[in-house]
Amino acid sequence: AQSVTQLGSHVSVSEGALVLLRCNYSSSVPPYLFWYVQYPNQGLQLLLKYTSAATLVKGINGFEAEFKKSETSFHLTKPSAHMSDAAEYFCAVSSLGGYQKVTFGTGTKLQVIP
Amino acid sequence: NAGVTQTPKFRILKIGQSMTLQCTQDMNHNYMYWYRQDPGMGLKLIYYSVGAGITDKGEVPNGYNVSRSTTEDFPLRLELAAPSQTSVYFCAIGTGTGYTGELFFGEGSRLTVL
Repeated sequence: AQSVTQLGSHVSVSEGALVLLRCNYSSSVPPYLFWYVQYPNQGLQLLLKYTSAATLVKGINGFEAEFKKSETSFHLTKPSAHMSDAAEYFCAVSSLGGYQKVTFGTGTKLQVIP
Repeated sequence: NAGVTQTPKFRILKIGQSMTLQCTQDMNHNYMYWYRQDPGMGLKLIYYSVGAGITDKGEVPNGYNVSRSTTEDFPLRLELAAPSQTSVYFCAIGTGTGYTGELFFGEGSRLTVL
């Protein structure tokens, strides 16, 4: 079985400050890991993905995430928050084998304060 | 090239009514998924399909049915609607090479059951 835990359902940062959204996963086999972003009244968009290549993954809009197997973590970071980053962010995991269903975390809403 | 199109975008149903949420893709991908999103709960997989004629249950299939007669279409049917089915429904396609779990989402269908 696979699962994802996102720590903090709401995170607030000041504009220009570091963004850190936490994600820990559980998987019995090597995982694929994803971050998705959802803007109000829209579907989810892929932000970045880890698929067993480089452990530091760069995504769109200046976001990046680091896969740490020893900590079973895949935290999302951005050095400097922008007002347009305000959205809900979802961490997700899938794994090899079968029909590769994707399991999502419960989401973290990011508020950016001017 | 619209990607994934969901209709309707909004619908209000009375308890016991039935309806079909439509999902059509023009990207020619085999894997298709239906998720529901409830506040604070993330996304839960309802049904998925790995190709025309092949469907299977996800985490929360009760009260729903699907069919997949073509690659393009993956409708979700709600029979005997209940207030617990009030949610936002997302259709998605699997787009990753070799299928790694990378998903492309439609814009969602917001359903209220009264």
